[in-house]
Amino acid sequence: DTGVSQDPRHKITKRGQNVTFRCDPISEHNRLYWYRQTLGQGPEFLTYFQNEAQLEKSRLLSDRFSAERPKGSFSTLEIQRTEQGDSAMYLCATRRRLGTVFTEAFFGQGTRLTVV
Amino acid sequence: QQPVQSPQAVILREGEDAVINCSSSKALYSVHWYRQKHGEAPVFLMILLKGGEQKGHEKISASFNEKKQQSSLYLTASQLSYSGTYFCGTEDVKGSNYKLTFGKGTLLTVNP
Repeated sequence: DTGVSQDPRHKITKRGQNVTFRCDPISEHNRLYWYRQTLGQGPEFLTYFQNEAQLEKSRLLSDRFSAERPKGSFSTLEIQRTEQGDSAMYLCATRRRLGTVFTEAFFGQGTRLTVV
Repeated sequence: QQPVQSPQAVILREGEDAVINCSSSKALYSVHWYRQKHGEAPVFLMILLKGGEQKGHEKISASFNEKKQQSSLYLTASQLSYSGTYFCGTEDVKGSNYKLTFGKGTLLTVNP
C-alpha cells in the first residue's frame, strides 16, 4: 500500500488518559499536515511539518496537544489528559514538493477518537 | 483564517447542475477542491494555481478568480456518484509555507 497510513483507525479512551496517533506518509512526501474533523465540519488545521521541522501549530490548540516528526518520516500526534471535546476524526495528509510548488494533499483514512 | 463556502448544502436530481463557491479574505496562491464521502478520507479533485484559471475533468470543472480571491466548482449533468461533501482548501500568499486550510464544506446530495 503506497498511500498515507494512520494507526490506529479507532481509539476509545477514558477522559483524562493520554493517547498517541501515528501517521506514515507516502514515500518522498516531505510536507505533512494534521487536521481534526468533527461531524459535518471541514478538516480543521492543527499543525504541519516540512520534513522534521514543525512550521506552525494552530492557536486554537491547547498545550495538551503535541506533534512530532522525528527524522522527517512518520509523525505522531499526542493528546494528554483527554477531554470529551477531543472526540473527533484526526486526519493526516501529506504532499510532495515539485520544484517551487507542492502537489495535492493525500489523506489517510484517519483515526477516530472517542473519549468516554 | 479558513475559506468560506456556499451553499452549505445542495440537493439535486440526477442530471442537474450545481455550483459551489469558495471565498477568502486573504490573497490566495492556490485553491484545492476535494470530495469526501461518508466514512472515507477526502479525495483530491483539482488544484487551481493561476488567476482566472479554469480546469476541468469530464463534467466537473472549476475557476479561480485571483483578484476576487474566489473559486467556484461546477458540476454538470450530475451523477449519483457525485454525492458527498465538497471542500475547498486554500493557500494564501503570505510567506512560502504552503499552509493548507479548508472550508466547512458543502454537502451535495444527488437523487435519482
